[in-house]
Amino acid sequence: AQTVTQSQPEMSVQEAETVTLSCTYDTSENNYYLFWYKQPPSRQMILVIRQEAYKQQNATENRFSVNFQKAAKSFSLKISDSQLGDTAMYFCAFMKLQGAQKLVFGQGTRLTINP
Amino acid sequence: DAGVIQSPRHEVTEMGQEVTLRCKPISGHDYLFWYRQTMMRGLELLIYFNNNVPIDDSGMPEDRFSAKMPNASFSTLKIQPSEPRDSAVYFCASSQGFNSPLHFGNGTRLTVT
Repeated sequence: AQTVTQSQPEMSVQEAETVTLSCTYDTSENNYYLFWYKQPPSRQMILVIRQEAYKQQNATENRFSVNFQKAAKSFSLKISDSQLGDTAMYFCAFMKLQGAQKLVFGQGTRLTINP
Repeated sequence: DAGVIQSPRHEVTEMGQEVTLRCKPISGHDYLFWYRQTMMRGLELLIYFNNNVPIDDSGMPEDRFSAKMPNASFSTLKIQPSEPRDSAVYFCASSQGFNSPLHFGNGTRLTVT
């Protein structure tokens, strides 16, 4: 079974700073997808970024980028020029490429951006 | 598109009552998922459907839980009878095709007293 671990329950940074959220996972699969979802106080789960394991290039979406280290099974999220609206819970998630369409989530990191 | 629509947004009920949560997926999406979020267990997949057919219900905690998808635009998650430990936020999500990102609704916060 796949597991996803987020070792930072909470983080706090000043507006405009860069912050990196950590995620590690355990799997015997070779091909899979990794995701970061954001859950603001409104409660909705919003997709931030997706990475295909077969791609060596790290995914980027504007101020959000990932550092994907397949051998180390590590998938960190970097938020540059952080904004107050980035305050949210952030969840790392894993999905196998083949078989069941199960999205397995980590426990989440609560990120606070301070003015 | 309006996104995944869930109702109600909040539900408060007494122990022993039947609870029905509703979900309308994004039009054209052929996968539908029900997740439960609690502080203790995080986000757990309860069940998912493909083309209205239940594919994996191994996450459904007990026989008190049941889910249906009578057509491509509607699904329900029913708890009968409800218990206080069922209190959680229940999310519905949909996706278009295999290995596509999930799009989540705003969730239903269920409180069972």
